Amino acid sequence: ETGVTQTPRHLVMGMTNKKSLKCEQHLGHNAMYWYKQSAKKPLELMFVYNFKEQTENNSVPSRFSPECPNSSHLFLHLHTLQPEDSALYLCASSLFSGETQYFGPGTRLLVL
Amino acid sequence: DQQVKQNSPSLSVQEGRISILNCDYTNSMFDYFLWYKKYPAEGPTFLISISSIKDKNEDGRFTVLNKSAKHLSLHIVPSQPGDSAVYFCAASEDAGGTSYGKLTFGQGTILTVHP
Repeated sequence: ETGVTQTPRHLVMGMTNKKSLKCEQHLGHNAMYWYKQSAKKPLELMFVYNFKEQTENNSVPSRFSPECPNSSHLFLHLHTLQPEDSALYLCASSLFSGETQYFGPGTRLLVL
Repeated sequence: DQQVKQNSPSLSVQEGRISILNCDYTNSMFDYFLWYKKYPAEGPTFLISISSIKDKNEDGRFTVLNKSAKHLSLHIVPSQPGDSAVYFCAASEDAGGTSYGKLTFGQGTILTVHP
């Protein structure tokens, strides 16, 4: 498999649930990113990891918890989310930070 | 306050004609600009980029112009029905800086190319 993959593609969860989003890149990149796209809003950067180290947290609430065990995998752990967190969550990677980012297909999340 | 703006939510063009998508930005620290294309149920796909020191970059049917102050445009010539997608403009302060690849996106323009 090539490129950037994300699982699951769709997720419905209650406000008391705990779930995780997974991103995997097969491009040999060293930087990975989480973005959020809410309806009719621009993509918003959430987190940046560079060589497994978090280098950016864009004032994201603590109910979103990222994890980057290695340069190929990125997780977003979700707990006690709110309905307004319903959005498309996109993962991206780049060879190094500051270079062109390649996106996965996204996980469409619905919080009930 | 939105730092990257795409003021046209949608654009409709006839096949074979030119599509011009516009992007304005307010942050004078941006020095690198990118265009992404997004089909439904897929992630954005990188299309073309330009640095602030250049005024034009071409790649096949796609040209990005950076000739006006804080304004970019993407030209698609000739437009094809397969170009119908959402186009996002993005900007970065990076290219050697310390912003670690932080892209700021516009809200996107839906392009529809009619056969």
